[in-house]
Amino acid sequence: NAGVTQTPKFRVLKTGQSMTLLCAQDMNHEYMYWYRQDPGMGLRLIHYSVGEGTTAKGEVPDGYNVSRLKKQNFLLGLESAAPSQTSVYFCASMQQGSYGYTFGSGTRLTVV
Amino acid sequence: KQEVTQIPAALSVPEGENLVLNCSFTDSAIYNLQWFRQDPGKGLTSLLLIQSSQREQTSGRLNASLDKSSGRSTLYIAASQPGDSATYLCAVNTGFQKLVFGTGTRLLVSP
Repeated sequence: NAGVTQTPKFRVLKTGQSMTLLCAQDMNHEYMYWYRQDPGMGLRLIHYSVGEGTTAKGEVPDGYNVSRLKKQNFLLGLESAAPSQTSVYFCASMQQGSYGYTFGSGTRLTVV
Repeated sequence: KQEVTQIPAALSVPEGENLVLNCSFTDSAIYNLQWFRQDPGKGLTSLLLIQSSQREQTSGRLNASLDKSSGRSTLYIAASQPGDSATYLCAVNTGFQKLVFGTGTRLLVSP
């Protein structure tokens, strides 16, 4: 099915470990986004990309890095995980010129 | 800094009731406002989008209004059904299609 696929769906990390979350979309969308969702705080934008090879910071970028080497993939990296990064991470994509977001089903990350 | 607030945080109604969810935002310089639905363990599904120049949008039993000058939007759900139970999020577009989300209203419609 066409859409946004996030890998993995669940992960438990120890403090200080690193990991990469993968977002893949097969709709040829230009724009891609990473959000985190925490209880009582809604979704907050971490980083976003307006095209292949481009990235930009969102509202809460500290502690995260991203890369968009291929148009269909947007990677979110945690170099040294901290308990404060325990959250549900959502990836989204959108075609330039439209307003219809497509969200992935999320990655639940716990840092202990 | 744009802030989005949703009231109430939770709502429980019997099936068949008409209901209103509220969303307010602090900066009226928005491109558009969207309402999303989120089911437990799932991603977000876009319900309605209102451009900054529009006053309302309708889709089936859903009607969303926007008063940009006062920083308010409402989502009206007519004849609620148990299948409407979900969390409803509003979000404002602040440029480059970046969204600032509210904290959501959790709706439970009982049969």
